[in-house]
Amino acid sequence: EAGVAQSPRYKIIEKRQSVAFWCNPISGHATLYWYQQILGQGPKLLIQFQNNGVVDDSQLPKDRFSAERLKGVDSTLKIQPAKLEDSAVYLCASSSLSGRAREQFFGPGTRLTVL
Amino acid sequence: GENVEQHPSTLSVQEGDSAVIKCTYSDSASNYFPWYKQELGKGPQLIIDIRSNVGEKKDQRIAVTLNKTAKHFSLHITETQPEDSAVYFCAASRRDTDKLIFGTGTRLQVFP
Repeated sequence: EAGVAQSPRYKIIEKRQSVAFWCNPISGHATLYWYQQILGQGPKLLIQFQNNGVVDDSQLPKDRFSAERLKGVDSTLKIQPAKLEDSAVYLCASSSLSGRAREQFFGPGTRLTVL
Repeated sequence: GENVEQHPSTLSVQEGDSAVIKCTYSDSASNYFPWYKQELGKGPQLIIDIRSNVGEKKDQRIAVTLNKTAKHFSLHITETQPEDSAVYFCAASRRDTDKLIFGTGTRLQVFP
């Protein structure tokens, strides 16, 4: 079974520029999560989707961050405009609604550097 | 708000020794406690989890214990090997949500 795919793996931009990250979850997983992991810290949930609906976006900085999951499969996370403090690894995870429903499978992440 | 504290932040052990990482959670409604291992350049990988209806769970060299009264849970790794070297994260979530609250991580180094 293929794991969670993310691209790009690395991105370097200047502040005030925009950037987008892409995630393809494990096939059949209804729930998709985006986390922000700042160096030396644990992942922090930004947004959670179930199918193509938002379940929790309480910690998403909505003035600059946006995310969508069209057709309930792939998802994109966008930052516009980026700030220096957005430098982090952005992790995508997915989980199934059945079986071990609460086990989250993580992708390799996208490392963002904002200069 | 919800918070998970994790100690120690770094841990160095000799190969073959045991390692223990401890976490404390604040939300008494938490009922699911996974542990993740994160190697350099990779995403976190689930290694073991425990639910609030059990006090201990083992999987080969790894065990997790849960004390609901004290809101503590711990990861125990026995007979450590160099390949156990990584950053380990504990996390907690409530029954009514899948939202994981992560600890700050423990960097484990196992020396041959």
